[in-house]
Amino acid sequence: AQSVAQPEDQVNVAEGNPLTVKCTYSVSGNPYLFWYVQYPNRGLQFLLKYITGDNLVKGSYGFEAEFNKSQTSFHLKKPSALVSDSALYFCAVRDGEGTDKLIFGTGTRLQVFP
Amino acid sequence: SQTIHQWPATLVQPVGSPLSLECTVEGTSNPNLYWYRQAAGRGLQLLFYSVGIGQISSEVPQNLSASRPQDRQFILSSKKLLLSDSGFYLCALEPEWDEQFFGPGTRLTVL
Repeated sequence: AQSVAQPEDQVNVAEGNPLTVKCTYSVSGNPYLFWYVQYPNRGLQFLLKYITGDNLVKGSYGFEAEFNKSQTSFHLKKPSALVSDSALYFCAVRDGEGTDKLIFGTGTRLQVFP
Repeated sequence: SQTIHQWPATLVQPVGSPLSLECTVEGTSNPNLYWYRQAAGRGLQLLFYSVGIGQISSEVPQNLSASRPQDRQFILSSKKLLLSDSGFYLCALEPEWDEQFFGPGTRLTVL
């Protein structure tokens, strides 16, 4: 069965510093990996995805994520955090070998301090 | 591009009252549709999904039900609400087996 883990409930970072939000996954086949962001009282917004190809995926708002097959990870990164990046971030995975449902992590709250 | 509408945006209902939340989508045909519930601004709980008209799969046994009377309409219902039904309800569409697009959500408070 597929699963995804976000080990950190909250990540705090100072504005201008690099940020990393961690995600690890488990699937039986090739993973389809996604990152979403949610601002208060809003629906989730798609940030980026990895299906195949380059391990470094670039997405919206300057975010990027690196697919690491050996570590089964897909960490979200940004070189310089903004206060406006403060939000709830969700990692999600689907087993690319089939049509299983998209499985979401429990979310990581990112707080960027001025 | 796809658009997802959810209404109402907020709802306050007494315990034991019925519920009907509606989700309609535009800009796509025959999408997979999903209902999620989010409690306390944290993880998503998948409630129902539908791969076509009249086809509903339930993920969690509870007092909620879902229906898909039209290709682009997905309805979440309850005959009698419980306090535990409070939460943020999100509708999502999936054009193919790929990324999902989410609606703006409905905040339900059961008193």
